[in-house]
Amino acid sequence: GAVVSQHPSRVICKSGTSVKIECRSLDFQATTMFWYRQFPKKSLMLMATSNEGSKATYEQGVEKDKFLINHASLTLSTLTVTSAHPEDSSFYICSATQGALGQPQHFGDGTRLSIL
Amino acid sequence: GNSVTQMEGPVTLSEEAFLTINCTYTATGYPSLFWYVQYPGEGLQLLLKATKADDKGSNKGFEATYRKETTSFHLEKGSVQVSDSAVYFCALSEGNYGQNFVFGPGTRLSVLP
Repeated sequence: GAVVSQHPSRVICKSGTSVKIECRSLDFQATTMFWYRQFPKKSLMLMATSNEGSKATYEQGVEKDKFLINHASLTLSTLTVTSAHPEDSSFYICSATQGALGQPQHFGDGTRLSIL
Repeated sequence: GNSVTQMEGPVTLSEEAFLTINCTYTATGYPSLFWYVQYPGEGLQLLLKATKADDKGSNKGFEATYRKETTSFHLEKGSVQVSDSAVYFCALSEGNYGQNFVFGPGTRLSVLP
């Protein structure tokens, strides 16, 4: 149980393109979803926290107009990288939690984004 | 604020060796503790967890015990395999909605045949 599906797994696109990444909880309702960015051989950097039906909370230094997050339902959150540039190339990972005390975060398999 | 500290890697072991990856934490309350594993090119998978003091989490031969007196949650395995090569993240969580989720920097493990 507690499966999180992230799609697509890999994206290669030209500079200036907007890219949407989906994160779905398949067998549970996720009250909260998280978006992370991971640089090579580094730990996870939390970008934003999203709760269903409300605006995402962005971490300091993350541009909310650049990284648009929508959490339209209890099973789906999307991250859109707008007007992507090569410096946005990275590994993006989402996670979801059921929200009860002591519950773990369940992670998607990540999206490798490469901007040419 | 809350924080998680892990031993610096990389850790390189021979197959069947004993593994310990140290993890200590700082928290204001009574967090839940987790170990996650990340295989190359993949997301994170929950390996084990413990929600209160003296709890032992275990999975796939890995174990970790929640030690409140030493604020530690060290990961151990008696005999590692090549397939255990991955990055291991220690993490803690406080609060009902998972917002206060803090990861350690990760420890890369390489197991040689």
